Amino acid sequence: GENVEQHPSTLSVQEGDSAVIKCTYSDSASNYFPWYKQELGKRPQLIIDIRSNVGEKKDQRIAVTLNKTAKHFSLHITETQPEDSAVYFCAASPGQMDSSYKLIFGSGTRLLVRP
Amino acid sequence: KAGVTQTPRYLIKTRGQQVTLSCSPISGHRSVSWYQQTPGQGLQFLFEYFSETQRNKGNFPGRFSGRQFSNSRSEMNVSTLELGDSALYLCASSFYRGETQYFGPGTRLLVL
Repeated sequence: GENVEQHPSTLSVQEGDSAVIKCTYSDSASNYFPWYKQELGKRPQLIIDIRSNVGEKKDQRIAVTLNKTAKHFSLHITETQPEDSAVYFCAASPGQMDSSYKLIFGSGTRLLVRP
Repeated sequence: KAGVTQTPRYLIKTRGQQVTLSCSPISGHRSVSWYQQTPGQGLQFLFEYFSETQRNKGNFPGRFSGRQFSNSRSEMNVSTLELGDSALYLCASSFYRGETQYFGPGTRLLVL
């Protein structure tokens, strides 16, 4: 069935270093890939998303890359700050105009940025 | 614009009872999806509503149901509650199907 695998489950980095979180999806029909950040006790918040017609997207310190052939996509955070500490979820979806539209989430990565 | 709102925020029920949770989407958003979040299973899709119709359903028993009203507000219902239904229930709205989803704060349900 549809599945999204996310690695690593925990990631600890020094402030200022980069962090990379990787996801693999199983449904080749997936064409929309959002990333959400969830702080403790808060709602998931979208931080960046990418559609399958784009290979890379950047927004300041955050970038996402997509390899459709390998069914991989990754989140890159540069110059990490303590406020980046949170749980990050990747997700995959068939996208628009599909009768089975839904988000399939990875299991989450707990990122800790050490000051 | 106001964000997605959910009521109630916290709920304690006992096994066998039923519960109704409410979600008000962002103004103008027509699609509402529901997710269950637990430490063990993570974020799992429950169902999606668009134009008052359930368009998609996740792998949950029939005790989980929902509906959407003409103003796009949505409710979900869980009947005959079980201990394993304890979770954070999140709804998310989007302008249209397949568009970016914005989450509400969730309703934390505890079943005793």
